[in-house]
Amino acid sequence: AQSVTQLDSQVPVFEEAPVELRCNYSSSVSVYLFWYVQYPNQGLQLLLKYLSGSTLVESINGFEAEFNKSQTSFHLRKPSVHISDTAEYFCAVSFLGGATNKLIFGTGTLLAVQP
Amino acid sequence: GAVVSQHPSRVICKSGTSVKIECRSLDFQATTMFWYRQFPKKSLMLMATSNEGSKATYEQGVEKDKFLINHASLTLSTLTVTSAHPEDSSFYICSASFTLVGGYTFGSGTRLTVV
Repeated sequence: AQSVTQLDSQVPVFEEAPVELRCNYSSSVSVYLFWYVQYPNQGLQLLLKYLSGSTLVESINGFEAEFNKSQTSFHLRKPSVHISDTAEYFCAVSFLGGATNKLIFGTGTLLAVQP
Repeated sequence: GAVVSQHPSRVICKSGTSVKIECRSLDFQATTMFWYRQFPKKSLMLMATSNEGSKATYEQGVEKDKFLINHASLTLSTLTVTSAHPEDSSFYICSASFTLVGGYTFGSGTRLTVV
């Protein structure tokens, strides 16, 4: 079965501390992997994605994620968070090989950065 | 590039009426569009996938007679919520897939409130 799992519904962290948001998936086919961020009452913004090549991908605002095929994971990390990083983060997976490569989302993780 | 315009951003309608939500790709041709529904503090649930000129493919549990999807052109897809009820109140988001590998872009969402 194809699925996306974000085990942590909420991650509280103090400002300037490191953070890791976990994402695991289950698939029998190749995948593309994405992280999206959603601020309150707004749409989705693409944070970063893995399609192929280097397993470590970075965003322009300091986030990075590493594709681990053996562990079927794509965890999101940031070495030092800011108050402005407070938002809902969604991991999404595109399962390849079907008629349409639909994007399936995890349940989301609320990153709550505290001063 | 690859911008999707979704409107209205907010709509309030009376129970029993129908509401149409539009999603337009502004600078590219969207071969495939996806419609998602997001419940409060929940993830995005894929409702259906539509390809231009053909019938939409609905996910299990989604009523196709209630959520009518039309993808008449490569730049426009519409979702019509028919005979709306308060339980249909939700945040609806469209997404377009474009030819760039791993390319998905999202509309800004529509907040539907049925009273």
